[in-house]
Amino acid sequence: DAGVIQSPRHEVTEMGQEVTLRCKPISGHNSLFWYRQTMMRGLELLIYFNNNVPIDDSGMPEDRFSAKMPNASFSTLKIQPSEPRDSAVYFCASTMGKAGSYTFGSGTRLTVV
Amino acid sequence: GIQVEQSPPDLILQEGANSTLRCNFSDSVNNLQWFHQNPWGQLINLFYIPSGTKQNGRLSATTVATERYSLLYISSSQTTDSGVYFCAVLPNQAGTALIFGKGTTLSVSS
Repeated sequence: DAGVIQSPRHEVTEMGQEVTLRCKPISGHNSLFWYRQTMMRGLELLIYFNNNVPIDDSGMPEDRFSAKMPNASFSTLKIQPSEPRDSAVYFCASTMGKAGSYTFGSGTRLTVV
Repeated sequence: GIQVEQSPPDLILQEGANSTLRCNFSDSVNNLQWFHQNPWGQLINLFYIPSGTKQNGRLSATTVATERYSLLYISSSQTTDSGVYFCAVLPNQAGTALIFGKGTTLSVSS
């Protein structure tokens, strides 16, 4: 199994631009999570899906952030418009079942200038 | 919400030394995992250990769920063990996901 696959690995964009991060979970996993890591706030949950349905999006910072999971093998996290304070590493993780072992992707390092 | 406290925040070791990292949590949990974030930023799953003891090579972990803590033991540390160790817990309530502690930063020198 290739694990959780995220793309791109690095993204540098100008303030105001739209950014789309992508994630392919492990085949057969039915829960998918988006986390953000910053020095100030550590690892924080943004949103998670169970069977492609968003369950908890209370961690999404504001309306500029949106996430979708159109099918069991693909999810996107979109920021529009992006701001410098969005600069962080964004991780995607997947698991089978609510209390299963989480597997993380390699992350996307986003820099907004 | 649940609180996850890790100690110590920083640890410096000589190669070959042993260490114990601690994770305290404030409420009952369904899941507890230990992760290692290496210098390249990857989050590597070390243990899935909601209770009991597990060992994997030089690393072992123990979780005492009734007393709300978990310990990660690193024996004969190597420079490749350097990085940040995170404890993460899944609260025993519906509609939640893993909550991370702030981590322990380990530096192992040769």
